[in-house]
Amino acid sequence: DAKTTQPNSMESNEEEPVHLPCNHSTISGTDYIHWYRQLPSQGPEYVIHGLTSNVNNRMASLAIAEDRKSSTLILHRATLRDAAVYYCILRVYGNTGKLIFGQGTTLQVKP
Amino acid sequence: GAGVSQSPRYKVAKRGQDVALRCDPISGHVSLFWYQQALGQGPEFLTYFQNEAQLDKSGLPSDRFFAERPEGSVSTLKIQRTQQEDSAVYLCASSLNRGLSVFPEAFFGQGTRLTVV
Repeated sequence: DAKTTQPNSMESNEEEPVHLPCNHSTISGTDYIHWYRQLPSQGPEYVIHGLTSNVNNRMASLAIAEDRKSSTLILHRATLRDAAVYYCILRVYGNTGKLIFGQGTTLQVKP
Repeated sequence: GAGVSQSPRYKVAKRGQDVALRCDPISGHVSLFWYQQALGQGPEFLTYFQNEAQLDKSGLPSDRFFAERPEGSVSTLKIQRTQQEDSAVYLCASSLNRGLSVFPEAFFGQGTRLTVV
């Protein structure tokens, strides 16, 4: 499984945008980029996914580099409830669907 | 219920004891996954079911770990002769997809925190 690299931790101020980077230099053409987040004492929850084009949903935006070797999860206005561990995961479309988690980025949001 | 339900939420077992952890997936979800999450680490894949068939058990750490999903809905993860290194949060997830699907999202339960003393 292709590997992702994320910073261990990041800080943000409340109501400001947050850009969470992810490097995946060994990504293959069939790998989808998925983001999940895990709030304290909760199971992970799906945030967003994409293949080549940038994606937007109600939770966040995903910006994918043209060469697909990196991507950025964008939270447009961070709230205290966004404090969580954010995981960037590569998933082969059509496989069993299992997710290979890394260490993730712990996001702290300051009021 | 609306989400994935796991029970018990907390379990304390004496070393050597057998434990059984239950997962109620979202109704109609074909795929079911078990993950193990050690303190401060990301979740690690244990096993995968498509309906009642266990298609991938490559992540089970030893033959003391056994999972079943006999009727394609509720699943049980059993750990025999528990050891201290088994202490972790055990997460269950379900998904509508069968692999090739337009539904990529996996829904996770809150997990069962197992402490072996």
